[in-house]
Amino acid sequence: SAVISQKPSRDICQRGTSLTIQCQVDSQVTMMFWYRQQPGQSLTLIATANQGSEATYESGFVIDKFPISRPNLTFSTLTVSNMSPEDSSIYLCSVAVIAGGGLSQTQYFGPGTRLLVL
Amino acid sequence: KNQVEQSPQSLIILEGKNCTLQCNYTVSPFSNLRWYKQDTGRGPVSLTIMTFSENTKSNGRYTATLDADTKQSSLHITASQLSDSASYICVVSARNTDKLIFGTGTRLQVFP
Repeated sequence: SAVISQKPSRDICQRGTSLTIQCQVDSQVTMMFWYRQQPGQSLTLIATANQGSEATYESGFVIDKFPISRPNLTFSTLTVSNMSPEDSSIYLCSVAVIAGGGLSQTQYFGPGTRLLVL
Repeated sequence: KNQVEQSPQSLIILEGKNCTLQCNYTVSPFSNLRWYKQDTGRGPVSLTIMTFSENTKSNGRYTATLDADTKQSSLHITASQLSDSASYICVVSARNTDKLIFGTGTRLQVFP
């Protein structure tokens, strides 16, 4: 299993500012992801955080808006840049852990960062 | 297009009663299906994961079923408790990909 912590747990920000969210995992993991969950919606994958290289972004998400760092196998940050009220959401860090000799993969989620942009 | 649909969208039951949540998917080629529980303001927590060859899996009072032929899954909750109030999300992954396809969830409320 994997235990994931995120900081901050919640924040209220002014439009035009930026917020960096930290994700810490209690063990080394290869695959780490960032998701967004808008109010009343399910989770949407923002990007895969790659250790030692640039993150892989999903359609509709760009590096200038959501820069991601992954300096090692236990830590990553997601920055929400130049925020607008539409960025109000829960941002979740997630890791995938391979089990069963590679036969299955379990994905664990952090507690989330609840962001409100005024 | 790979999609996961859940029903009902929301459900209210009385404490102690049973309930069943449904999930239909069109993901292909299928790899596995997971059910997650998400408490309000928290991240999702895995309940069960099933591969193509598994048609039922239990985790305490939660029992998930999978029919890979009809591409349907259900999550049955027995003797519901107030702490079962949460969103339940069906998630399917396709073979040879790390990406998960999320359903929109069923919001369950258990009342005393």
